[in-house]
Amino acid sequence: DGGITQSPKYLFRKEGQNVTLSCEQNLNHDAMYWYRQDPGQGLRLIYYSQIVNDFQKGDIAEGYSVSREKKESFPLTVTSAQKNPTAFYLCASSPDRGRTNYGYTFGSGTRLTVV
Amino acid sequence: AQSVSQHNHHVILSEAASLELGCNYSYGGTVNLFWYVQYPGQHLQLLLKYFSGDPLVKGIKGFEAEFIKSKFSFNLRKPSVQWSDTAEYFCAVLNNNAGNMLTFGGGTRLMVKP
Repeated sequence: DGGITQSPKYLFRKEGQNVTLSCEQNLNHDAMYWYRQDPGQGLRLIYYSQIVNDFQKGDIAEGYSVSREKKESFPLTVTSAQKNPTAFYLCASSPDRGRTNYGYTFGSGTRLTVV
Repeated sequence: AQSVSQHNHHVILSEAASLELGCNYSYGGTVNLFWYVQYPGQHLQLLLKYFSGDPLVKGIKGFEAEFIKSKFSFNLRKPSVQWSDTAEYFCAVLNNNAGNMLTFGGGTRLMVKP
């Protein structure tokens, strides 16, 4: 079945360490997105990529980095510069730019806890 | 920048009660509107969407939403809720003139008492 796979489901990190969250899709979607979900704040956009080898900052990009070397993959690195990294991270994808009005497909998320 | 407001953060209802969740957005141009639902422990799922035509949109599981352009609103409704509707609901707006990005509201957590 087509979909988005995020791994791991739960992740623990020590303060000061970088950590990479995986996101893979087999939907042949061009665009991919990373959101952060915090209670009462909804989903806030971290980074997005409309096409391979290109990505743009979202509303809360500070302390995060991404790469888009393959169409299927859009990993997110949470760096030690991110001041409050404990959160639920969601990856999403959508078809090409002209069909984004069909909405996004979401992964099941990764819960990151900094200890 | 566009924004999306969901004024009810927590709603508690008894089964069979009617539901209306508010959603207002700030952008004045052409928009596409969505409601997503996140059941406990599950990923976000599309409940319904509007991008043209009849402003009253019907979605899955008996939900509907009405787009009122003059009020910049897209409220979600269900005539009779069930315990299984307990979830968090997110309104989202897609602005075709802003990189086709979805902007989400803060979410409404609905609890339905059996």
